[in-house]
Amino acid sequence: QVQVVQSGAEVKSPGASVKVSCKTSGYTFTNYGITWVRQAPGQGLEWMGGISTYNGDTYYAQKLQGRVTMTADTSTSTAYMELRSLTSDDTAVYYCARDAFGMGNWFDPWGQGTLVTVSS
Amino acid sequence: QSALTQPPSASGSPGQSVTISCTGTSHDVGGYDYVSWYQQHPGKAPKLMIYEVNKRPSGVPDRFSGSKSGNTASLTVSGVQAEDEADYYCSSYAGSDNFFVFGTGTRVTVL
Repeated sequence: QVQVVQSGAEVKSPGASVKVSCKTSGYTFTNYGITWVRQAPGQGLEWMGGISTYNGDTYYAQKLQGRVTMTADTSTSTAYMELRSLTSDDTAVYYCARDAFGMGNWFDPWGQGTLVTVSS
Repeated sequence: QSALTQPPSASGSPGQSVTISCTGTSHDVGGYDYVSWYQQHPGKAPKLMIYEVNKRPSGVPDRFSGSKSGNTASLTVSGVQAEDEADYYCSSYAGSDNFFVFGTGTRVTVL
């Protein structure tokens, strides 16, 4: 079955960077994109951006432009999200999900989430 | 890009119907038939419940249904059950500048 498994929790200092991985299995990786969504403690979902695993095209939320980079390794069916210049506002659970951008625009399934804590 | 507007809470007794609204603009909900709904239990990842306004993925009970009128989409749970108690988020495609936007979320309580 389709599975999406993320890397483990991270604790970072303000100003640092974090890179979260998202390993997929059970489907042809390049047939779907990967989207990233974050959820601050007690808050709602925030769409961060996505990547086409077919050609590497990326599309980011305007508020994160310049601070986020999304990549995909087709040899391991793994996607990555790197966020730089972290502040306490970036403390959140980060989710990746298979996405059907341009084919229905839904996100399914989701990874289990990766807690990123930014603290001095 | 502003979040889509959902009521903070909704509730119903077992067996009753519960409907959640999701209000956007002509640039997102009203402009595309790409509204999806996600269920999130506490401490868990979201789960896709409805896509393309009213389509149900395999395995989602048919008591979940979606609709749209103008700039407002709705999710209805007909015959709500205890296991439906969760947070629900709508999402819409918002064009090639903003791509996607989520709703503010609604907590559904089964009384």
